[in-house]
Amino acid sequence: AQSVTQLDSHVSVSEGTPVLLRCNYSSSYSPSLFWYVQHPNKGLQLLLKYTSAATLVKGINGFEAEFKKSETSFHLTKPSAHMSDAAEYFCVVTPGSSNTGKLIFGQGTTLQVKP
Amino acid sequence: DGGITQSPKYLFRKEGQNVTLSCEQNLNHDAMYWYRQDPGQGLRLIYYSQIVNDFQKGDIAEGYSVSREKKESFPLTVTSAQKNPTAFYLCATKGTGFNQPQHFGDGTRLSIL
Repeated sequence: AQSVTQLDSHVSVSEGTPVLLRCNYSSSYSPSLFWYVQHPNKGLQLLLKYTSAATLVKGINGFEAEFKKSETSFHLTKPSAHMSDAAEYFCVVTPGSSNTGKLIFGQGTTLQVKP
Repeated sequence: DGGITQSPKYLFRKEGQNVTLSCEQNLNHDAMYWYRQDPGQGLRLIYYSQIVNDFQKGDIAEGYSVSREKKESFPLTVTSAQKNPTAFYLCATKGTGFNQPQHFGDGTRLSIL
């Protein structure tokens, strides 16, 4: 069965320091992987997606993620945190065996950015 | 996402009442989805529709109903059978293609009076 595990429920960084949000996945097939961000009382916004092209994926707002098949990981990084990055982040996988578009969501990581 | 409109933004339900949440899209996407989000939790799929006049139950469909009469619209009804309806409800759409991401509306927050 496919699953997604976000290894930290809460991450706190200082403004200007690097961000690392960790995600491991389990999939029997070649998955598509996504990172979404959610600000309070808003919907989810797509940050980036991996779809079996380049393993290093660049997204919006300076975020990027690296797909590592050997480690079954898809960690999200940003070199320098900004106050506006404070939000909830979701790692999401589309099971390779499904054509329904159904997604499997991680439980989310809350990113706190301190001034 | 500017192409997906959810209304109302806030909704209150009385005991024994059915309420309907609206989701409209102008992205010309075939597939539409309804999710429920509870505090501190991820999203859970309620219903989804891959084409007009067809829809499928998700993981937590009990107490909910949907219709898909038009491509642009996928309303969700929270019935009185749903005993714990207080949550944030999100609608999403997806374009054609296996690797296409889902796009989300800004949600409706439902509370019990």
